[in-house]
Order: sequence, then C-alpha cells, then structure tokens
Amino acid sequence: DIQMTQSPSSVSASVGDRVTITCRASQGISTWLVWYQQKPGKAPKFLIYAASSLQSGVPSRFSGSGSGTDFTLTISSLQPEDFATYYCQQANSFPRTFGGGTKVEIK
Amino acid sequence: EVQLVESGGGLVKPGGSLRLSCAASGFTFFTYGMNWVRQAPGKGLEWVSSITSSSYMYYADSVKGRFTISRDNAKNSLYLQMDSLRAEDTAVYYCAKYYYDNSRYYNAFDIWGQGTKVTVSS
Repeated sequence: DIQMTQSPSSVSASVGDRVTITCRASQGISTWLVWYQQKPGKAPKFLIYAASSLQSGVPSRFSGSGSGTDFTLTISSLQPEDFATYYCQQANSFPRTFGGGTKVEIK
Repeated sequence: EVQLVESGGGLVKPGGSLRLSCAASGFTFFTYGMNWVRQAPGKGLEWVSSITSSSYMYYADSVKGRFTISRDNAKNSLYLQMDSLRAEDTAVYYCAKYYYDNSRYYNAFDIWGQGTKVTVSS
C-alpha cells in the first residue's frame, strides 16, 4: 500500500498569511494526487486534482504542485473561510490512501 | 443539482449487520464509478470501497470479506452491506462520486454526501 504523510499536522496562521502544506508518498505516484478541505461536521470538499489542477469554483489562492513522491498545497493569502483541515489522497492505485490531515488554525 | 444522500446508519451491536444506501441525483449515475469513504470520530479519512461503472469492486483490507459494495443503476443507488461489524467500524460513512473530465477519470472524489453515522457498540 502507498503511505501518504502530511506535514505539519497543524499550523497556526493569520489572515493574509501564506500557508504551505506538504504531502509525501511512500512511492512514486506521478501526479495522481488530490487535495481536499474539510470543515468540522461537514463532508470533505474537492479542491485540486492531478496534483495541480484546480477544481472549478475553487479560489485561485489555492494551488498545488509536485510529482513523484513530494507534493505541496499552498494558500497564497489565507482567508477566514480557509481555516479547516486539509487532506491529500493518492489516486494512483488501490487501496486509495489519504494523508493524516493538516489542521489550519487561527493564530 | 448533483447530489448524494446517504441513509441507513445507526447503532448496531458487535457482530451485527447494517446496509447503507446512497441515493444519487443530477448526473448519469450508471456512467460513474462510486465509492465509500469513512471517518472515525476525531480521525482522518479512510477509503473503504469502490465500484466501477462496470461493477468491478475494490475493498480496503480492513473490510474485505465483511463488507459488500453494490449498485442499482435503475434506482440510481449505491449500497454498502456491512456484516460482522466491529467497534473499529464506528465512523461516519460517506458515499462519493468519481471525478470525470475531458474523457478521463482522475480517481478523485468530487461530490460527497452528507454522511451517515454508524456506531458499533454493545
């Protein structure tokens, strides 16, 4: 199975800050990487697919990059509605696996 | 509007069974692969099972042999039959649709239901 490791597990940031979240795969997955945002009590929201393609309707302050084993999600200017937990997911093979999540908290 | 609505969750004793349903609307259900993903209380996301449009099925090792995914295209519905339930199966269960764009699947979950809670406890 492909293990997905996210870091940090949590980050405290202020509105307007640039935030970067890292996701590492235990083996190469090309660009088969997806990012989700989840708020408490809600279903996850689909943000980015194929490592860097922004889903329709997702603000352009979100961006993704990487290939192979190392990936990043960047929020260029954090907004109040961005405080949430973010998950990466490998889409390369079964079983589909998620990272442990990164909680973005208000500083 | 594209929508997924889960039902069937509840409290069940260890060793018991439960059948989850997911009603789909707003898209051509029979052309899409579908999935179940769960989230234990206070924990992260865990993929459970997938079924392709051709009804090929895939399972996480943790549920293989105990859970069965199925679909009824005539009813636009996805199901998860859960047998031999354990305490560690306690979670919110989400159904999710695969993302498809430009004649390609990206193995990403673009539409999620609101989730249905399953509690396994004596």
